[in-house]
Amino acid sequence: EVQLAESGGGLIQPGGSLRLSCAASGFTVSSSYMSWVRQAPGKGLEWVSVIYSAGSTYYADSMKGRFTISRDNSKNMLYLQMNNLRAEDTAVYYCARVQYSNWFDPWGQGTLVTVSS
Amino acid sequence: QTVVTQEPSFSVSPGGTVTLTCGLSSGSVSTSYYPSWYQQTPGQAPRTLIYNTNTRSSGVPDRFSGSILGNKAALTITGAQADDESDYYCLLSMTSGIWVFGGGTKLTVL
Repeated sequence: EVQLAESGGGLIQPGGSLRLSCAASGFTVSSSYMSWVRQAPGKGLEWVSVIYSAGSTYYADSMKGRFTISRDNSKNMLYLQMNNLRAEDTAVYYCARVQYSNWFDPWGQGTLVTVSS
Repeated sequence: QTVVTQEPSFSVSPGGTVTLTCGLSSGSVSTSYYPSWYQQTPGQAPRTLIYNTNTRSSGVPDRFSGSILGNKAALTITGAQADDESDYYCLLSMTSGIWVFGGGTKLTVL
């Protein structure tokens, strides 16, 4: 069964750093396009970043320079390194597989990141 | 900056038909944007309903359908049921490496 499971969320102070992890099963992360999507409390979905199978990475404008998407092929894991966190980065972060470059499926269950002092 | 527009809220009677739309602040949505639709209930991860404009994801009832209506992507629910009460999001595939979600539509079935 194809599944994704995020971890690594928690409470972090403004300006701090956090690395989210996404464990994949049933498929190979390195052969896939993988993405992060976030959802602030009570708000809509926001696309964050993607990593292509070839290794190219892209980010939403508000995350450029602060967030870094990466993967570990040997562990079949996806990561999101988040630096200089702000209160507005508080959200549930989902990882998702990008199907045929165009839609997201499956999704993980999400991990909550709270940025607060 | 590209903004993807959706109705903030919609209401439908049980058994009724409702069409939610997904537009662009500038320009028209076409199949070239490969619109997809997601259903989300509180506390749950999104669930894929429709991809590539009109293809139902595995296990999605056929009362859900996708299309292009005029200059927007559309999600139609025919014969709405109580458990269709959810938030619905569209997603557009923009230029290479960029995706944009709509703001979501909160659907009430009553």
